[in-house]
Amino acid sequence: KAGVTQTPRYLIKTRGQQVTLSCSPISGHRSVSWYQQTPGQGLQFLFEYFSETQRNKGNFPGRFSGRQFSNSRSEMNVSTLELGDSALYLCASSLTGRDTEAFFGQGTRLTVV
Amino acid sequence: QKEVEQNSGPLSVPEGAIASLNCTYSDRGSQSFFWYRQYSGKSPELIMSIYSNGDKEDGRFTAQLNKASQYVSLLIRDSQPSDSATYLCAVKGQRNNDMRFGAGTRLTVKP
Repeated sequence: KAGVTQTPRYLIKTRGQQVTLSCSPISGHRSVSWYQQTPGQGLQFLFEYFSETQRNKGNFPGRFSGRQFSNSRSEMNVSTLELGDSALYLCASSLTGRDTEAFFGQGTRLTVV
Repeated sequence: QKEVEQNSGPLSVPEGAIASLNCTYSDRGSQSFFWYRQYSGKSPELIMSIYSNGDKEDGRFTAQLNKASQYVSLLIRDSQPSDSATYLCAVKGQRNNDMRFGAGTRLTVKP
């Protein structure tokens, strides 16, 4: 059974640009959550999607957005990149999101220069 | 007060010893609790989930939950050098589905 797949693994962008990250969940999983991990702030919740709807959102600015497709694959977009957006972006998939175990992908390492 | 608190460590134990990792949380209505292991440069890997008060054992790992004290712990028996990693405690709140993570405890097991 394939795990959670994130693409790309590494990305270098310039300030002001935008970026799109992709996440394919485990087959049958309908919930996808996104997290940002930095050395200073740890793992912070961005948002969760279930059945193509954003079900929950963390405390991040509107520059961070996402969507989920009918096959449960999810994308995350960050517009007008800032140096502080440099981080490891992780997605986690779970069956329903509610009280079920979540499994992480390998992450996308974003560097903003 | 942080939502999920862990001792940042580092925690150092000799090979073969028991490593004890602790976590407290602030949301009294939390229902689901998880322990993840994260090796340097890698993504978090789920070790244990626990939903009810008491102990849950899986191989060398035992998770303990005390909802009254808002406390969850992870014991690693017969610690191995390969257990050296950062251990993240995660809690799902009652109201939302988002997992809140502690800052993690870095464990080093010395041969």
